[in-house]
This record gives sequence, structure tokens and C-alpha cells, in this order.
Amino acid sequence: KAGVTQTPRYLIKTRGQQVTLSCSPISGHRSVSWYQQTPGQGLQFLFEYFSETQRNKGNFPGRFSGRQFSNSRSEMNVSTLELGDSALYLCASSRYPTNAGELFFGEGSRLTVL
Amino acid sequence: ELKVEQNPLFLSMQEGKNYTIYCNYSTTSDRLYWYRQDPGKSLESLFVLLSNGAVKQEGRLMASLDTKARLSTLHITAAVHDLSATYFCAVDAPNFGNEKLTFGTGTRLTIIP
Repeated sequence: KAGVTQTPRYLIKTRGQQVTLSCSPISGHRSVSWYQQTPGQGLQFLFEYFSETQRNKGNFPGRFSGRQFSNSRSEMNVSTLELGDSALYLCASSRYPTNAGELFFGEGSRLTVL
Repeated sequence: ELKVEQNPLFLSMQEGKNYTIYCNYSTTSDRLYWYRQDPGKSLESLFVLLSNGAVKQEGRLMASLDTKARLSTLHITAAVHDLSATYFCAVDAPNFGNEKLTFGTGTRLTIIP
């Protein structure tokens, strides 16, 4: 079966711009989580959505937002980009929330902010 | 706040040798996960440990969990080049009010022929 699909895979933006990343979970999975991975901070939890509701949020500024649609697809948005937002953004899906044992990750969207 | 520490951060091993990666966490939890990440790739789930004393093995990798010591180990037996990757442990504690998955810093493992 198809895995978690993230688009775009690579993108370059400049400071001050905004970006939207998309994640399509595995069919039947209703929980989607987002993580930011950087060399300095490692893997950090951004937020988790289940049935279109945000269940948990990490310690990120309000410039980072997300949403989930009725088909379980999710988007995350980063506004007013800063250089420090350059990172690999990983999406993960699971059938149920807090089900990290069955967490499947996508290939990620690599964002470079210039 | 749940904190997860791994050591070592970097590990170079010769093929055929054994070694252990350690994962310590700061608060009560009975759920720990190990993931593997190849360069430029996503995270692959290796082991899910859901109780004190849990031990799981897959090929040359074996993971264990001691919830009393808040410690998990990933043991590598007779390392081969294909095991070169970065290994992450991660912890959550939904039964103790912490639903967010917190990752360790990762251990970059390089197997030298």
C-alpha cells in the first residue's frame, strides 16, 4: 500500500515569505503528526492532528500552523520565514492518535530559507 | 518536560564487532521506540518496547527497556556495513500525561570494513 506522501520534497524560499507543506497519510490513517529536523535541534514535535482537530502542539511560535482535512490529508504553514526555519519537515501518520508504535514517516520536505 | 538523551552521539565500529547504544529518559514512561534513518531518507521504525523488561530482536539488532532505570539499549552484534545509519530512540508517555513523542539526539553509526 502507498506510504506517507509529502510534497514538495524540496523548496527554497527567502526570508519573510511563507510556505505550505502537504502530507497525505497512509490510507485508513486518521492521525497526522509533523516534526522538524535540524542538525542543531534534532527532531522536534510540531503538532498532531486527528479527525481534523489539533490534539497536541509543540513549542513553536505561532508562525507555524497546520490543519487537517476531512480526507485526513494535512498541511502545515510557516509564515514570515526566518533563516532558522531551514530544516527537514517530516510528516508521520498512524491509525490512531498517540500510537507511535505504528507511526509511519514520509520522506520529508526539505526547506531552505535564504 | 520529558527529555531523552542518547549516547554516544557518534560511533565508528569495525565490522564484526559488538556495541551498545544507550537511551536515557527523564520522566516516567513505559513506551520507547527505536528508529533508523539513512542519509537523506525518512525514519524507519525498528522496535516498539511497551513494558518493563521488554526485549526485541531483529537480525543483528536487539533492543531492551528498563523502565525503572529509565533506560533502553540497542545492542549491535557482529556489525556489518549495512547497519551504518543514524539511530534514534523516542519516548512518549500518554498514560502519564505526555502524549508528544520526544526523540533523542540520535547516534550516527559508521561501520568500517
